[in-house]
Amino acid sequence: AQTVTQSQPEMSVQEAETVTLSCTYDTSESDYYLFWYKQPPSRQMILVIRQEAYKQQNATENRFSVNFQKAAKSFSLKISDSQLGDAAMYFCAYRIFENTGKLIFGQGTTLQVKP
Amino acid sequence: GAVVSQHPSWVICKSGTSVKIECRSLDFQATTMFWYRQFPKQSLMLMATSNEGSKATYEQGVEKDKFLINHASLTLSTLTVTSAHPEDSSFYICSATTPGLDTDTQYFGPGTRLTVL
Repeated sequence: AQTVTQSQPEMSVQEAETVTLSCTYDTSESDYYLFWYKQPPSRQMILVIRQEAYKQQNATENRFSVNFQKAAKSFSLKISDSQLGDAAMYFCAYRIFENTGKLIFGQGTTLQVKP
Repeated sequence: GAVVSQHPSWVICKSGTSVKIECRSLDFQATTMFWYRQFPKQSLMLMATSNEGSKATYEQGVEKDKFLINHASLTLSTLTVTSAHPEDSSFYICSATTPGLDTDTQYFGPGTRLTVL
């Protein structure tokens, strides 16, 4: 069975600094998707970034980038130039390659951004 | 990105009554919708997967007779909590997707807070 582990329950970063959130997963599949979702205090889940396992290039979205290490089954999220609006709970998620497959979430990491 | 709505956003009911929560995809046709439950400061727990026109697939440990899911159209899925009890109080979130939508990304509704008195 696939599992996703986020070992950092809480992280904090100074505004304008860089922070990295960790995520590891376990799967026997070779093709799959990985996601980072953000859940701010409003509790609306927002897609931050998506990575296809068959792509070697790390995904980037503006200030957000990932370090995808397929062999190590690691998928960390780097947030550069942190902003107060980045404060939220971040979830790493895995999905098999099959169309409309279900997401498997990690436990979440609460990110605090200090002014 | 695609937009998913939920109604109501917050509902309070008495123990023993039933509550229906709606999940709608507003700008796309969702062949598949998912229902999650989330306790405070915890992760999302998948309850069931529903495909339009067929019966929902429930995760292990989820009572299908208590949490009735209907996905009657490509834009609407409903979750009915039957004979609700205080332990059913939680935050319920739906998501929707369809093949080819942004690499089959799931888009989430804003959630429904259920309080059972």
